[in-house]
Amino acid sequence: EVQLVQSGAEVKKPGESLKISCKGSGYSFTSYWIGWVRQMPGKGLEWMGIIYPGDSDTRYSPSFQGQVTISADKSISTAYLQWSSLKASDTAMYYCARRVAAAGTGYYYYYMDVWGKGTTVTVSS
Amino acid sequence: EIVLTQSPGTLSLSPGERATLSCRASQSVSSSYLAWYQQKPGQAPRLLIYGASSRATGIPDRFSGSGSGTDFTLTISRLEPEDFAVYYCQQYGSSPETFGQGTKLEIK
Repeated sequence: EVQLVQSGAEVKKPGESLKISCKGSGYSFTSYWIGWVRQMPGKGLEWMGIIYPGDSDTRYSPSFQGQVTISADKSISTAYLQWSSLKASDTAMYYCARRVAAAGTGYYYYYMDVWGKGTTVTVSS
Repeated sequence: EIVLTQSPGTLSLSPGERATLSCRASQSVSSSYLAWYQQKPGQAPRLLIYGASSRATGIPDRFSGSGSGTDFTLTISRLEPEDFAVYYCQQYGSSPETFGQGTKLEIK
């Protein structure tokens, strides 16, 4: 079974650092991009960025560039999302998801087919 | 950045009725690059439709997607109680791979 298992809930103070994780299993971790998605309380989904664990190629949304770092350790099939200095506005649920590029006839389909259950990050003084 | 605008923001219908949800893109998106997701309270999003019209594995055939260019539609032919949720479209045509703001489908 393809699974993404995310690390547990975090409660932090403003200014602290944090690294959350997303461990893949049941598939070739290095062959699919992993995406990170933010959902602030009561709000919609926001695409943060993606990483290809095979070579660590990373793409960021301009909204999150410089605010977070996405990384991966392919030896343990784990992707990470980290902050160097948290703000109260980082309080949110963070999801990782497997991003698929499936071959059609002459084109590719893209979608996120497997999602982690999410990691709640609370930043409060 | 491609902006996806979903309408309506909230749709109030009864079980058994037909639901039509819209997703409009600020610039043309290849049909191959448009997906729909369902999210229920306290749960992660779930893939429903990819390639604008292909159902994901295990998705009932009452869910269908259509559209091209800048206008896409998710249709639920006969609403079941478990279909009341929030629905998001997402485009993969260019980075950032943006989501729409969501349509909440609520029981009337």
